[in-house]
Order: sequence, then C-alpha cells, then structure tokens
Amino acid sequence: NAGVTQTPKFRVLKTGQSMTLLCAQDMNHEYMYWYRQDPGMGLRLIHYSVGEGTTAKGEVPDGYNVSRLKKQNFLLGLESAAPSQTSVYFCASSSTDSSIKTQYFGPGTRLLVL
Amino acid sequence: LAKTTQPISMDSYEGQEVNITCSHNNIATNDYITWYQQFPSQGPRFIIQGYKTKVTNEVASLFIPADRKSSTLSLPRVSLSDTAVYYCLVGDTDSWGKLQFGAGTQVVVTP
Repeated sequence: NAGVTQTPKFRVLKTGQSMTLLCAQDMNHEYMYWYRQDPGMGLRLIHYSVGEGTTAKGEVPDGYNVSRLKKQNFLLGLESAAPSQTSVYFCASSSTDSSIKTQYFGPGTRLLVL
Repeated sequence: LAKTTQPISMDSYEGQEVNITCSHNNIATNDYITWYQQFPSQGPRFIIQGYKTKVTNEVASLFIPADRKSSTLSLPRVSLSDTAVYYCLVGDTDSWGKLQFGAGTQVVVTP
C-alpha cells in the first residue's frame, strides 16, 4: 500500500495563478483532510470531506476550494494564488472503522507563491 | 474547540525520559487527545490517543489528569531518532472536522 500520496511535491506560482493539488489514498478511508502548515502555527485545517461527493470548511478555508469526486481522491484548488498561501500543504485520511481517530498523512506539498 | 498550548522546544540526552505537556483548558466532554510525531520533510505520524486517565503503547504513554485540562506525552528512554516535532491535537469525538493542533514542540535528543 502506498498510503497517502500527494502531487506535486513542490511548486512555484506567481501571484494570481491557479493550481490544483492532488491527494490520493489507497486505504479505502471515508474521511479526507487538507491542512496547511506554517512556521510556529502547527497544522490548520482548510477543508475536509466525510465521504465521496461531500466537503466541508475547516478553520482556514478562504481562498481554497476542494472536490471529492472519487472516494480515493481529494483535490485542493487555488483559483488565484496569493503570497499568503505560501505554505506546506498536507493531506490526510482516516477510517471510520476504528474507535481510535487516527489520521494518516501524506508527505506534503511545498508551495511558494511569488 | 479547546485552544492547545505546548512548549516550543525541549532538549534531552539519549536514554532519558522526555515529558511534553499540552494545555487545553477549555477541553469539552466529547473531546479526545492525540499526539503526532513529525520528522523534517514528512507528514505527521500518529503516536498515541486518549480520552482520560492513562494510555500506554509500545512507544509512548499518555497521562491525562481527572480535569483533562492538560495531557502529558511521555517518551521513555529516548534515542537520537526521537528528535522530531511533537504535536498535540484535541478533537471532537462527534465531529471529525472539529479539531485543533498545537503549535508543536521541537524535541532535540543529543548523545
């Protein structure tokens, strides 16, 4: 099992450009999450999904959109990138089967917006 | 959701026990506590989770006092490979989208 994978690993954007980050999981997990990680601030939840076709806002959703068309994929979109969106983005997934709420994280995508 | 506060950094020597305390004064009845470990250029990795009292697994222990306003991650006999950032997370049992990570504690283990 590959677990949680993220594409791309690194990207440089100019202000105003758009891009999509792809997250894929092969564990048949129902829940998927997108976080951003900034120095000194830990991880902050952007959006999450509790199942195929459903999404919900997290703590910092502004400037981002998401889609969950397939159970195994969760896409994060930036329609018009801003320098404040320079960050490391992590995707995670979790199962509803276990009583322990464990999230499995991908390796991250480093985004630089100039 | 409960705001979480943890020390910015801690230093230790190999073989010692490391205890990291996370404060979550406003924790709700339904909230659980989880700790993650993160190495550079990697995603966080689950260490341990608890709701109340003490939980122990093969790598760590989690102590939660009766008032649940704090929790302490205990790493016994650390090695150099335990150098990492450790995050405390408080989450709502009934809502997978209600969760709050702490800012993380950088633990440095030296010989």
